[in-house]
Amino acid sequence: DAGVTQSPTHLIKTRGQQVTLRCSPKSGHDTVSWYQQALGQGPQFIFQYYEEEERQRGNFPDRFSGHQFPNYSSELNVNALLLGDSALYLCASSFGPVRAGDTQYFGPGTRLTVL
Amino acid sequence: KQEVTQIPAALSVPEGENLVLNCSFTDSAIYNLQWFRQDPGKGLTSLLLIQSSQREQTSGRLNASLDKSSGRSTLYIAASQPGDSATYLCAVLALSGSARQLTFGSGTQLTVLP
Repeated sequence: DAGVTQSPTHLIKTRGQQVTLRCSPKSGHDTVSWYQQALGQGPQFIFQYYEEEERQRGNFPDRFSGHQFPNYSSELNVNALLLGDSALYLCASSFGPVRAGDTQYFGPGTRLTVL
Repeated sequence: KQEVTQIPAALSVPEGENLVLNCSFTDSAIYNLQWFRQDPGKGLTSLLLIQSSQREQTSGRLNASLDKSSGRSTLYIAASQPGDSATYLCAVLALSGSARQLTFGSGTQLTVLP
């Protein structure tokens, strides 16, 4: 049973560029959440996708956008990259929007470096 | 706005010691609290999940407690081993607007010395 997978593992971009990160949820899961983790900090919630729609959004600018496909996989897009966007981007999956008894399963992350 | 604080930020102990990691949160209206482990450059692994109606959960050498009214949780690790070296993150699930959202602390970086 494959867990949550993310690609690519590492990515280097320059300021002003655009980037797309990808996530495949754990088998049987239909909800994907994205988090940004800066060095030495805890993950910060970006947004959550369920039924191909953005259901919830954290305190992130519109430069951050996403998409969920019919097979439940998801993409995170970041436009006009800033140096401060350098972070580990984590994807987490669950069955349905997160409920009280559930845990989210996290992928290994994509390390984005913006130069 | 929910805020989660973890103390200490870093901890170094000799192998075999018992240790306690602390987590506090500002809003007691939570659905659950989770402790995660994160190895350097890796994703998160869920260790223990405590429902808001529960007081503690145990898994092997790990025991987590929850005092929702005071906004506190502790993670107790018995007989620590070098393989326990990692960052431990605490997160609470609470209502944010119309949806449930996980809010994380900044973590405690644990080093267990052989």
